Amino acid sequence: NAGVTQTPKFRVLKTGQSMTLLCAQDMNHEYMYWYRQDPGMGLRLIHYSVGEGTTAKGEVPDGYNVSRLKKQNFLLGLESAAPSQTSVYFCASSYHRGNQPQHFGDGTRLSIL
Amino acid sequence: GESVGLHLPTLSVQEGDNSIINCAYSNSASDYFIWYKQESGKGPQFIIDIRSNMDKRQGQRVTVLLNKTVKHLSLQIAATQPGDSAVYFCAETPAGTALIFGKGTTLSVSS
Repeated sequence: NAGVTQTPKFRVLKTGQSMTLLCAQDMNHEYMYWYRQDPGMGLRLIHYSVGEGTTAKGEVPDGYNVSRLKKQNFLLGLESAAPSQTSVYFCASSYHRGNQPQHFGDGTRLSIL
Repeated sequence: GESVGLHLPTLSVQEGDNSIINCAYSNSASDYFIWYKQESGKGPQFIIDIRSNMDKRQGQRVTVLLNKTVKHLSLQIAATQPGDSAVYFCAETPAGTALIFGKGTTLSVSS
């Protein structure tokens, strides 16, 4: 049972570089989410998607873009990485947005120098 | 603003004891609550959830209690084991919107 798979697991970038984080789920979930987790803080929602071809902003969307071209995949992009984006990024998916548990991947640890 | 908080950032217990992790929420409109467990280097793992029309829900060795009067949520773990050591997060959903997470409580179990 793969569940939610995130790639890569670790990455180091230089300021100004770009990269894309990939999330894949095999549970046929409609909703997918990207969070960031910083030390001493809970998870904060960056962007989410309610279905293929749709995306929406969360609590902390600035500096990130997302795409949901296929139902099972949700991509998070950093166009010009900044040190403030050093964090652990988690992807999650669920059948519905509210009143349903979200299932998480094991995260991507991103460091920006 | 809307927030979900936990009363204690850390909790230390002995193996075999019962653990109680508390969470206070601020949004009266929240109608769904979840507890997650996060082990080092892993993503949050769903433990148990409860809807606002319930006061108590039990799982395997875990019980969640919801007190809507004082906006308080707790997770009880029976016969705590070393494998229960992790960070525990509560999260709320204000009326069908996205989950809002608290900052977490680190549970340490010593044998």
